[in-house]
Amino acid sequence: DADVTQTPRNRITKTGKRIMLECSQTKGHDRMYWYRQDPGLGLRLIYYSFDVKDINKGEISDGYSVSRQAQAKFSLSLESAIPNQTALYFCATSQGIRTEAFFGQGTRLTVV
Amino acid sequence: AQTVTQSQPEMSVQEAETVTLSCTYDTSESDYYLFWYKQPPSRQMILVIRQEAYKQQNATENRFSVNFQKAAKSFSLKISDSQLGDAAMYFCANTGGFKTIFGAGTRLFVKA
Repeated sequence: DADVTQTPRNRITKTGKRIMLECSQTKGHDRMYWYRQDPGLGLRLIYYSFDVKDINKGEISDGYSVSRQAQAKFSLSLESAIPNQTALYFCATSQGIRTEAFFGQGTRLTVV
Repeated sequence: AQTVTQSQPEMSVQEAETVTLSCTYDTSESDYYLFWYKQPPSRQMILVIRQEAYKQQNATENRFSVNFQKAAKSFSLKISDSQLGDAAMYFCANTGGFKTIFGAGTRLFVKA
């Protein structure tokens, strides 16, 4: 089983719909992140969390919200999806700045 | 501000030859780490190499090595004896303070 699991892998949704992307990890890491990947822009940080009670906005948090339900679970919500939120979304975990990030398989989200 | 710049959107190399991917960064942190990640078509993010900023010695992992120039804030990746399996997107990343910031990526093509 993967250490960091994202669901769903692919999703097509309509403009205005609410959608949740889920992430769970078995690494035991405190830090969890949500990134968005767009061609030519790389990975941009949406939100990050250092523990259940610590949630922080990243570079591009507008239009997104998150919930850290447990140390191992970190979900990303789009309250009202719009077409320019079409992208590849990654969840990642790390134990700190000295270690690398471990990524999920990514969620390909298309908003039509 | 924490930034990472990859100025080469695409690079191409002949199989068995050597290629260097460029990366520059900026950070106000004194304690930080630098990474190169590979993203093959499977879209999985894979760690290639890691460099601690306090270490002057350049990191090496088999055919992969870095040229870390701290004063110039430069962190390039050299791939020797390139193989077809090296074809992928490569992302440079800087981890300092509370988060990891990625560059826009360089797509590497390997010609047989």
